Amino acid sequence: LAKTTQPISMDSYEGQEVNITCSHNNIATNDYITWYQQFPSQGPRFIIQGYKTKVTNEVASLFIPADRKSSTLSLPRVSLSDTAVYYCLVAGQNFVFGPGTRLSVLP
Amino acid sequence: EADIYQTPRYLVIGTGKKITLECSQTMGHDKMYWYQQDPGMELHLIHYSYGVNSTEKGDLSSESTVSRIRTEHFPLTLESARPSHTSQYLCASSEYTYEQYFGPGTRLTVT
Repeated sequence: LAKTTQPISMDSYEGQEVNITCSHNNIATNDYITWYQQFPSQGPRFIIQGYKTKVTNEVASLFIPADRKSSTLSLPRVSLSDTAVYYCLVAGQNFVFGPGTRLSVLP
Repeated sequence: EADIYQTPRYLVIGTGKKITLECSQTMGHDKMYWYQQDPGMELHLIHYSYGVNSTEKGDLSSESTVSRIRTEHFPLTLESARPSHTSQYLCASSEYTYEQYFGPGTRLTVT
C-alpha cells in the first residue's frame, strides 16, 4: 500500500504560483495519482489526475517524474479563494489519501 | 457535476441511540466509500463497496456497519452511538478508485 507524505501547511500570496509536492515511494505500477481540494465543512473535490509526465487542465497542472515516486500539484496565480486543504490520492487496487496540505493564500 | 447526497447534514443525538446515515448517488457508480474526518484532520476510510452485496472494512477500525442492497444507496449504521463517534462522515462514489466524488458530509455529535 502506497503511503503518502505532504507538507502540513504552506503560505502564499495572491497572484503567485504554488507548488505542492506529495511523496509516494511505494506506488504500484497500476496506481494513478489524483489531487483533491477541500474547503471547511465540505467534501473533497476532484482537481486533477495523472499517471506519468505532465497533465494540465483549466485549474491546475500535475507533474509526475519518470520514477513516479512523487508528484507536484501546481496552482497558477492563486487567489484568496484557493485557501483550502489539498490532498493527494494514490489509487489503483488499493487507495490511500495523503495527510493533506493546508494552503493559506494571503492578500 | 457529481450527484451524491447525504442526509442528514447535521445530527445531534444522545448516547446509546441507533442511527443511520444515508448516502445516495445517481451516477450509477459501482464503487462507494465512507470516510471519517475529524475537524482539521485527514480522511480515514472506514468502509467501501465495489458493488451490490459487496462491503469491506477500511483502514480505520469502526464500530459502524454498512449495507449495499442497491447500487445507488450505501447507508451507514451505528447500533449504539457514543461520544467517541462524534465526527464528520463523508460518503463518496466513483467509477475508478482514483476519481471519487464526495457528498457534503454528515456532521454527527453524540452527547
